[in-house]
Amino acid sequence: NAGVTQTPKFQVLKTGQSMTLQCAQDMNHNSMYWYRQDPGMGLRLIYYSASEGTTDKGEVPNGYNVSRLNKREFSLRLESAAPSQTSVYFCASSDGQAGNTIYFGEGSWLTVV
Amino acid sequence: AQSVTQLGSHVSVSEGALVLLRCNYSSSVPPYLFWYVQYPNQGLQLLLKYTTGATLVKGINGFEAEFKKSETSFHLTKPSAHMSDAAEYFCAVRLSGNTPLVFGKGTRLSVIA
Repeated sequence: NAGVTQTPKFQVLKTGQSMTLQCAQDMNHNSMYWYRQDPGMGLRLIYYSASEGTTDKGEVPNGYNVSRLNKREFSLRLESAAPSQTSVYFCASSDGQAGNTIYFGEGSWLTVV
Repeated sequence: AQSVTQLGSHVSVSEGALVLLRCNYSSSVPPYLFWYVQYPNQGLQLLLKYTTGATLVKGINGFEAEFKKSETSFHLTKPSAHMSDAAEYFCAVRLSGNTPLVFGKGTRLSVIA
């Protein structure tokens, strides 16, 4: 059981370049999330999708777009990367019940130079 | 809006000593509370969670936490620290349904031999 799979694991971008982080889950979960992790800041929510066909902004959405492609997949796009977007990105999923566990991917390390 | 405060960004204990990581939350409604652990260069793994019922919750690796509504706290403890417990620990709160987790800023636990 793969759980939540993110690609790529590592990426270096130049300022202004674009890229998409891919995320897929095989647990038939309704809800999916993108967080970023920065030193001393914990995890901050970028965007989430409560169910297929819906997306909502989180705490730090500026500079990002998302697509809930289907129930399994939730991608995060950086249209014009900036050094401030250097971070570790985590995708997560859950079945939407509040007390149930949210499962995380292994993370994607992104550096913007 | 809910929030989470973790007291102490870095805690250092001796091997065999008590581990106490503090977490306080603010929420207008009874929350669901979670502790996650992150080992270096890995994703987040659920340690334990409080949903309803018994306020003392036992998790993996000998950790436990107690939900104290009157103190709005959910502190994480382990009677005897092991070297393998060295990691970053995150407390998180969730209100209901499909709402995302809101994380504290994390506490890095170091275990000294």
